[in-house]
Amino acid sequence: DAKTTQPNSMESNEEEPVHLPCNHSTISGTDYIHWYRQLPSQGPEYVIHGLTSNVNNRMASLAIAEDRKSSTLILHRATLRDAAVYYCILSVLMGAQKLVFGQGTRLTINP
Amino acid sequence: SAVISQKPSRDICQRGTSLTIQCQVDSQVTMMFWYRQQPGQSLTLIATANQGSEATYESGFVIDKFPISRPNLTFSTLTVSNMSPEDSSIYLCSVELAGAYEQYFGPGTRLTVT
Repeated sequence: DAKTTQPNSMESNEEEPVHLPCNHSTISGTDYIHWYRQLPSQGPEYVIHGLTSNVNNRMASLAIAEDRKSSTLILHRATLRDAAVYYCILSVLMGAQKLVFGQGTRLTINP
Repeated sequence: SAVISQKPSRDICQRGTSLTIQCQVDSQVTMMFWYRQQPGQSLTLIATANQGSEATYESGFVIDKFPISRPNLTFSTLTVSNMSPEDSSIYLCSVELAGAYEQYFGPGTRLTVT
């Protein structure tokens, strides 16, 4: 499985944008980039995914580098409820998706 | 979307005993997965539970230790057998809906082995 690299932790302030980086230099052409987050004492929840183009949904935006070797999850206006561990995962959307979780980035939001 | 429940939510068990964890989904799903999250760590996939066939285990996990049942499209169980303190973890199930890109996770079962 292709590996992703994320900073262990990041800190931001409430109501400010947050950019969470992810490096995936060994990504293959069929790998989708997924982001999940895990709030304290909960199971992970899906945030967003993309292949080549930038993606937006109600939770976040995903910016993918032109060479696909890195991506950035963007929370446009962080709230205290966004404090979580964010995981960047590569997976092929074919059959059963095996999600291989790295260590993720622990995001702290300051009031 | 899918709503997933797990039972029990937590348990404290004696070394050498077994615990069966239940995962119930509110809709029929093809793929169900079991993960383990050791204290302070990330999630590790244990196995994929296929309805009507044997579960597929990941490297480092074996059926004798983690037997899985999948009797229908809405339910699965994971048993942690002959437990030791090293099995203390949160165990989570997840499901993948047909045609969907995302997996939905249950709240987890927090297991402590003494």
